[in-house]
Amino acid sequence: QVQLVQSGAEVKKPGSSVKVSCKASGGTFNTYAINWVRQAPGQGLEWLGGIIPIFATANYAQKFQGRVTITADDSTSTAYMELSSLRSEDTAVFYCARADPDPSWYDTSGYPLRFDYWGQGTLVTVSS
Amino acid sequence: EIVLTQSPGTLSLSPGERATLSCRASQSVSSSYLAWYQQKPGQAPRLLIYGASSRATGIPDRFSGSGSGTDFTLTISRLEPEDFAVYYCQQFGRSPSYTFGQGTKLEIK
Repeated sequence: QVQLVQSGAEVKKPGSSVKVSCKASGGTFNTYAINWVRQAPGQGLEWLGGIIPIFATANYAQKFQGRVTITADDSTSTAYMELSSLRSEDTAVFYCARADPDPSWYDTSGYPLRFDYWGQGTLVTVSS
Repeated sequence: EIVLTQSPGTLSLSPGERATLSCRASQSVSSSYLAWYQQKPGQAPRLLIYGASSRATGIPDRFSGSGSGTDFTLTISRLEPEDFAVYYCQQFGRSPSYTFGQGTKLEIK
């Protein structure tokens, strides 16, 4: 059973950056994509990007290109999401998410068609 | 980019009733690429349905998914008190990318 444990809540100033971690346990880490999804207060879900650790190259939603950086450390089974140039509208809960290893539910890109496992969420508050 | 539009925005029903939630895509979506999630306050989303109609592990059989092309439906046959939550549809797009609907809030009438 895969478990994803995220780092704790953060309070940041506008214009600064935040880096959130997601530590995976249970199963292989480096061959399965870890994705990041955010949820502003009272709002819906929005995908920021993902990474397949063994390839070390991330894919990003166009909206966040240039402002988000997703990395992974195979030695600690931990993925990271860094969002820069923070503004108040970035206040949200950030989730990491992964899928079951069943290969039938993965695209040829190596990314899953669904998210079976989610981290507990990390609240990032951007306020002056 | 494919846009998913969920309706209604809020659905007010009583326990024991049947709930029908809709997810409409702006372009045709492969059924394999369509999933549904349930989210309760303060919790992460939980996968309910994948491949448009397959229940995820541990999901009760009162939950069912159907549809194809641009129109997909999540049905809860007989509502239990724990089913009142927000429901999201999600589609996978090649690039890769993921988009979610704006959600349907299922509330107790």
